[in-house]
Amino acid sequence: GQQLNQSPQSMFIQEGEDVSMNCTSSSIFNTWLWYKQDPGEGPVLLIALYKAGELTSNGRLTAQFGITRKDSFLNISASIPSDVGIYFCAGQLLGGATNKLIFGTGTLLAVQP
Amino acid sequence: DTEVTQTPKHLVMGMTNKKSLKCEQHMGHRAMYWYKQKAKKPPELMFVYSYEKLSINESVPSRFSPECPNSSLLNLHLHALQPEDSALYLCASRQTGGSPLHFGNGTRLTVT
Repeated sequence: GQQLNQSPQSMFIQEGEDVSMNCTSSSIFNTWLWYKQDPGEGPVLLIALYKAGELTSNGRLTAQFGITRKDSFLNISASIPSDVGIYFCAGQLLGGATNKLIFGTGTLLAVQP
Repeated sequence: DTEVTQTPKHLVMGMTNKKSLKCEQHMGHRAMYWYKQKAKKPPELMFVYSYEKLSINESVPSRFSPECPNSSLLNLHLHALQPEDSALYLCASRQTGGSPLHFGNGTRLTVT
C-alpha cells in the first residue's frame, strides 16, 4: 500500500540530545498525526495537526504541519531513555464516510543513557 | 492503558485451524479498523467499518473475514492461514470525520 517518506530511518543518540524527524508526501493531506510504538504494543497518538502551518507542542514534543500540506516534522527536546521506540507519521485523507490513514515508513529511535 | 481492547494478546494457530480475533471499544466511536503490521514496518490497512457497515476492504484474501456485530465490537475470523500471515494485528477506532485513530495493543499471531 501507499506509504509516506519518513526520515531518518533510525537514530542513535545520547540522552539529553534533541531529535528531529520528518515526513514528506507527494499528496496533500488534511491532517497529520504522529504516533509512537513501543515493542509489543500498539501505536500511541502523540500529536495531531489539523491546519497547514500549525505548530503544536506536547511536553518535550513539538510538531508542525507544513504550509504545503505535504510534509510534517516532529522534534523531541532533551531526549530521555523512555523515548526509545518507533515513531510513525501518518497523513489523513478525508473522503466520503471513511477516512484513510497513510503511514510513514517509521523512525527507530535509540537513546543511550 | 489503551481504550481499545484486543484479545487474545498472543495466538498460535496451525494452517488448518479456525480462530477469531476480538476488538472492543466503549468510546462511542463509529468507525473501526483492522491493520496488519510486520516487524519494524508501518501498519497496513486491511478493513474499515463505518456505522457497522464494511466500507473498505484493501483486497484482503478471503481467509480473513471481518465482522462488526455492533458499534462496540469488531471481530476478525481467521481460516486456513499461511505462515506469512504471521504478524501483529491491530484494531483501531475513531469518531467519524477527521479525528485521530486510537489503536489497541494488538494480537501477536503466529501461524505454524
